[in-house]
Amino acid sequence: NAGVTQTPKFQVLKTGQSMTLQCAQDMNHEYMSWYRQDPGMGLRLIHYSVGAGITDQGEVPNGYNVSRSTTEDFPLRLLSAAPSQTSVYFCASSQDRGTGELFFGEGSRLTVL
Amino acid sequence: KNEVEQSPQNLTAQEGEFITINCSYSVGISALHWLQQHPGGGIVSLFMLSSGKKKHGRLIATINIQEKHSSLHITASHPRDSAVYICARGRYSGGGADGLTFGKGTHLIIQP
Repeated sequence: NAGVTQTPKFQVLKTGQSMTLQCAQDMNHEYMSWYRQDPGMGLRLIHYSVGAGITDQGEVPNGYNVSRSTTEDFPLRLLSAAPSQTSVYFCASSQDRGTGELFFGEGSRLTVL
Repeated sequence: KNEVEQSPQNLTAQEGEFITINCSYSVGISALHWLQQHPGGGIVSLFMLSSGKKKHGRLIATINIQEKHSSLHITASHPRDSAVYICARGRYSGGGADGLTFGKGTHLIIQP
């Protein structure tokens, strides 16, 4: 059972470039979410989804785009990378909407130059 | 003011000591999570609770809904317990899900 798989683990981008962080889970969880973790800020919710075809914004959605075409996958797209998006990104899934046990991916460290 | 406050921010203790980490939140919850993050590592869920007390090995989590407060205890602490411990509250919002709000974490170091 792979759990939650995130790719890539590390990425360096130049300002203005775009990229997609991949997240996949094999637990048939309806709820998936993306967070960024910055020093001194804690984890902050970017976007979340309660099922295929349904997404919504979290606390810090600007500059990011998501879609949920299948239950398994929840990619996070950076449309035009900015240095402020340098962070560690975590994907998480849960059986219930914030009330079930959370399963996190290993994280993706992104640097924007 | 952050909706989820943790204390202390940093804690250094000797092996074998009883550890307590506190979490206070300002709005009602549907669930409260305790997470563990080792340096450079991923995040692991320790507990998810909405009332009472849960125990797993040397870890105990309690919650007082009326006081909006939760504690994480570690008995017989060991250097491998050194990690960042994060409290997060889950909350429903008007029929829609709004994810989680996290505390900034408590950095725990257990010295041999």
